[in-house]
Amino acid sequence: QVKLQQSGAELVKPGASVKLSCKTSGYTFSTSYMSWFKQIPGQSIEWIGMIYAGDGGTGYNQKFKGKATLTVDTSSSTAYMDLSSLTTEDSAVYFCALGYFDYWGQGVMVTVSS
Amino acid sequence: DVVLTQTPSILSATIGQSVSISCRSSQSLLDSDGNTYLYWFLQRPGQSPQRLIYLVSNLGSGVPNRFSGSGSGTDFTLKISGVEAEDLGVYYCMQATHAPLTFGSGTKLEIK
Repeated sequence: QVKLQQSGAELVKPGASVKLSCKTSGYTFSTSYMSWFKQIPGQSIEWIGMIYAGDGGTGYNQKFKGKATLTVDTSSSTAYMDLSSLTTEDSAVYFCALGYFDYWGQGVMVTVSS
Repeated sequence: DVVLTQTPSILSATIGQSVSISCRSSQSLLDSDGNTYLYWFLQRPGQSPQRLIYLVSNLGSGVPNRFSGSGSGTDFTLKISGVEAEDLGVYYCMQATHAPLTFGSGTKLEIK
């Protein structure tokens, strides 16, 4: 059974950074793609970018370049997303999704507030 | 960026009714490899999106066959043949032919 377990909710101050994790099981992580998405509650979904676990190659939505950095640790089958220089506009739920978007994490709420 | 326009934005249906959702793209979604990377997702309240349909018309694993997808080029449709109570939520189309991947604004399905 494929599972994606995301890290817990975050409350961070403006200007800070946060690192989100997405741990997978039941899937061949080392040859898979992982995508990340942002959703402000009540709004549609935005694609942030994707990473290929095989070689760490990445592709980003231009809107999130400089904001998000995607990495993987194949030894623990975990994908990470660093979000930097956080502002209130980064407050949202962030999802990871594996492969051709057939498996999703439960989402993690990031709240940026002083 | 490719703009996906979904209609209607809200859909109210009775149990057993058949409904359709339209997704129109600002550009053709036919890729040079011959595939059309158009997906449909359902996001139930408080949950992650669930993939229903991939490559326009292919049913996702475990997805009931009352869901079907059709279309080509710039016009796509999701049909639910016989709405059930568990189908309530927001439906999104998404394209992955052109970077960046983009989503429609969503269609909220309410059960009367």
